[in-house]
Amino acid sequence: DAKTTQPTSMDCAEGRAANLPCNHSTISGNEYVYWYRQIHSQGPQYIIHGLKNNETNEMASLIITEDRKSSTLILPHATLRDTAVYYCIVSPSGAGSYQLTFGKGTKLSVIP
Amino acid sequence: DAGITQSPRHKVTETGTPVTLRCHQTENHRYMYWYRQDPGHGLRLIHYSYGVKDTDKGEVSDGYSVSRSKTEDFLLTLESATSSQTSVYFCATKDRALYEQYFGPGTRLTVT
Repeated sequence: DAKTTQPTSMDCAEGRAANLPCNHSTISGNEYVYWYRQIHSQGPQYIIHGLKNNETNEMASLIITEDRKSSTLILPHATLRDTAVYYCIVSPSGAGSYQLTFGKGTKLSVIP
Repeated sequence: DAGITQSPRHKVTETGTPVTLRCHQTENHRYMYWYRQDPGHGLRLIHYSYGVKDTDKGEVSDGYSVSRSKTEDFLLTLESATSSQTSVYFCATKDRALYEQYFGPGTRLTVT
């Protein structure tokens, strides 16, 4: 069962902000939202995660709605190297062992 | 990067032969995972380990076995390879105190 819904593909102009949406309407109170990306043929790369509050790191920002049913990953200044498949994942625990269930993700194409 | 290597990186084998894939990490992470990735699917968890000699099944474990005799090595074995096991296999690790999983570069396996 898909726990998240993402658009299949998106385009973004180089230098502009890329806003990638994710719906997770059945998220439970103890589930985190994780974002990973996979650049062609490489292993997935962790980007950011959050529980309730908005989060920011050197790669991206994560905006989670107050009801936690959706979130948006923001890449503030997209570059060609950000072209990748982006996965939004909900998982029941943070620290400790947890399983990641990957969907099909959003293919982001950054256009010159 | 968490110092994860996978070997071999590419392998072609015949149906019915045994195959072992190796994942090696240098970060002393407690948890290790094996995923497979097929066209049209996201990554799917095969098996995972939460310590030396402690392993458990994931979503698609049929036809696979694993072993972990040392913290740094996690082996995935296909006892009798089938064409349906043609895939790209990714290993991942996670430290107990961290939220993110780190992925290896992948092994492309073709079963003819």
